[in-house]
Amino acid sequence: QLRLQESGPGLVKPSETLSLICSVSGGSISRSNYYWGWIRQPPGKRLEWIASIYYSGSTSYNPSLKSRVTISVDTSKNQFSLKLTSLTAADTAVYFCARPNTGGRFTSFDYWGQGALVTVSS
Amino acid sequence: EIVLTQSPATLSLSPGERATLSCRASQSIRNFLAWYQQKPGQAPRLLIYDASNRASGIPARFSGSGSGTDFTLTISSLEPEDFALYYCQQRSNWLTFGGGTKVEI
Repeated sequence: QLRLQESGPGLVKPSETLSLICSVSGGSISRSNYYWGWIRQPPGKRLEWIASIYYSGSTSYNPSLKSRVTISVDTSKNQFSLKLTSLTAADTAVYFCARPNTGGRFTSFDYWGQGALVTVSS
Repeated sequence: EIVLTQSPATLSLSPGERATLSCRASQSIRNFLAWYQQKPGQAPRLLIYDASNRASGIPARFSGSGSGTDFTLTISSLEPEDFALYYCQQRSNWLTFGGGTKVEI
């Protein structure tokens, strides 16, 4: 059974950088034909796709966040990561990592992590 | 950016009733639309992808239809566990989500 687990700090200060890791178990990132993704959900608001990455390192970014986001993959650890810079209170959200249900750069997602709440506050 | 508008914002129904949820795209997205169910404190659950395909393990009471700009999620007979938030998501031009419809008792 595929499982995704987000990890990272729950509280980050404004202007700092958020780093999150998604650890994948029950399946191999490098033996899949998927663009693994990060999605976030601010409290009471709609979901927002952040970025996706293929095991080879090919990436796709939400244009509205692209200047502040870096997504990377470590196939040796079966993990992929997210960095988000210049944080503000608007970045407070639950951050999910997810796996698509089909191949292709832009997809829907059928496996999700439980989500990691990140609060941006001094 | 493709904007998805869901209606109604809230749908008040009883178990056993039929639920019809709408998602409208700001431009044509062909059939590149998915539907998710989300309960408080949980991750979204994929119900339907590419407008009308049920995801693995999803009961037959959930069905999706539509193409272009207008899409519908239908729950034929509501079960108690179906009362939740529902989101649509398009993948025609990167990825965006709708604002959600709450199905409540």
